[in-house]
Amino acid sequence: DQQVKQNSPSLSVQEGRISILNCDYTNSMFDYFLWYKKYPAEGPTFLISISSIKDKNEDGRFTVFLNKSAKHLSLHIVPSQPGDSAVYFCAASVYHAGGTSYGKLTFGQGTILTVHP
Amino acid sequence: DGGITQSPKYLFRKEGQNVTLSCEQNLNHDAMYWYRQDPGQGLRLIYYSQIVNDFQKGDIAEGYSVSREKKESFPLTVTSAQKNPTAFYLCASSDSPSQVYYGYTFGSGTRLTVV
Repeated sequence: DQQVKQNSPSLSVQEGRISILNCDYTNSMFDYFLWYKKYPAEGPTFLISISSIKDKNEDGRFTVFLNKSAKHLSLHIVPSQPGDSAVYFCAASVYHAGGTSYGKLTFGQGTILTVHP
Repeated sequence: DGGITQSPKYLFRKEGQNVTLSCEQNLNHDAMYWYRQDPGQGLRLIYYSQIVNDFQKGDIAEGYSVSREKKESFPLTVTSAQKNPTAFYLCASSDSPSQVYYGYTFGSGTRLTVV
């Protein structure tokens, strides 16, 4: 049961244009969402996050949008740069619920972003 | 310089053998996690530990075992019962379960190949 889904395995974008990575979730208990970036043979690094009480969070070139009614979030990168080429994972957490799920992250399958010069 | 160290980076194992992957952190984090990455399947949780001497099964714990005898160490043993152990294994830590919103800190991973 894939509770977090990234339906696009890959995305190719020209340098300077916008990259939009999408993520859908099914568990309505999720209340905190994160995006991670991963280069080959390295561990993922935290990029940006959003709480379910917000619908947008911005950090420099990166903006995450959350649509709770649609159970959908997206990561926008503007402008895209060749160094952004990596695998991007979205992740979700039941942050406020407590119990055994407290602190666990559920990850999507990842989207490979390629930014061409 | 604080971080998470996973060793070795590459590991080869013969079928039927147990193997232990090391994970050490000097971040003074309470919680530690083991994930497995397979192509097209993202990161799947194997085991996690929120405090010393306590750990919980994740979504795919069968064929794996862990221990948490020290706060800074969370080794993962891949046993011969694990049917498909070839994968990229990632260890992570967080300040405490309540600090997950800052994100995990991940190690650089161990690539395990069964030969």
